[in-house]
Amino acid sequence: EDQVTQSPEALRLQEGESSSLNCSYTVSGLRGLFWYRQDPGKGPEFLFTLYSAGEEKEKERLKATLTKKESFLHITAPKPEDSATYLCAVQARSSASKIIFGSGTRLSIRP
Amino acid sequence: DTEVTQTPKHLVMGMTNKKSLKCEQHMGHRAMYWYKQKAKKPPELMFVYSYEKLSINESVPSRFSPECPNSSLLNLHLHALQPEDSALYLCASSHQLAGGSSYNEQFFGPGTRLTVL
Repeated sequence: EDQVTQSPEALRLQEGESSSLNCSYTVSGLRGLFWYRQDPGKGPEFLFTLYSAGEEKEKERLKATLTKKESFLHITAPKPEDSATYLCAVQARSSASKIIFGSGTRLSIRP
Repeated sequence: DTEVTQTPKHLVMGMTNKKSLKCEQHMGHRAMYWYKQKAKKPPELMFVYSYEKLSINESVPSRFSPECPNSSLLNLHLHALQPEDSALYLCASSHQLAGGSSYNEQFFGPGTRLTVL
């Protein structure tokens, strides 16, 4: 069964303290892995798509990486405005439409 | 334009009411989705439309009725809902369903916060 597990469930950092969020997945052939950011009461905001192991993508203070079993979202020198829930999702080759979400990591950055 | 819009932002309804949620996108996407999200949980897929035809119904109760009038619009008609249906309802769109295409990213709207009394 296709599955996505994110850790930690919650993470509190001091402003400027870099860290990484983990997304472990088991899927019968990966079509794509997606990272989203979600603020409370709002819809998920698309961040990155990763398609193959070894791929990396960057956007401002965020960098996403992918291996055959997991993805990391690295946050460098975070600011309070980076506080949000970060969702990881995968799409299997066998699925034309469905993406499977992890339960998310709630990130809080203290000034 | 890379935006998915949803109306209304908030909706309060009684269990005997009939209401509709609306979603619109002008990105030329041909796949559209409805999700339900409870607090501190990930989005749960409800329906998928591809080229204006219902492609997936994730065993959603019949009190939820989707409609896709054209390639830019998606509606969700609500009738005789239960208090446990209170949630954030999200609409999303993507270029098309994955069939060899790399354009699989789903773009989400801001959601409608639904409260059923």
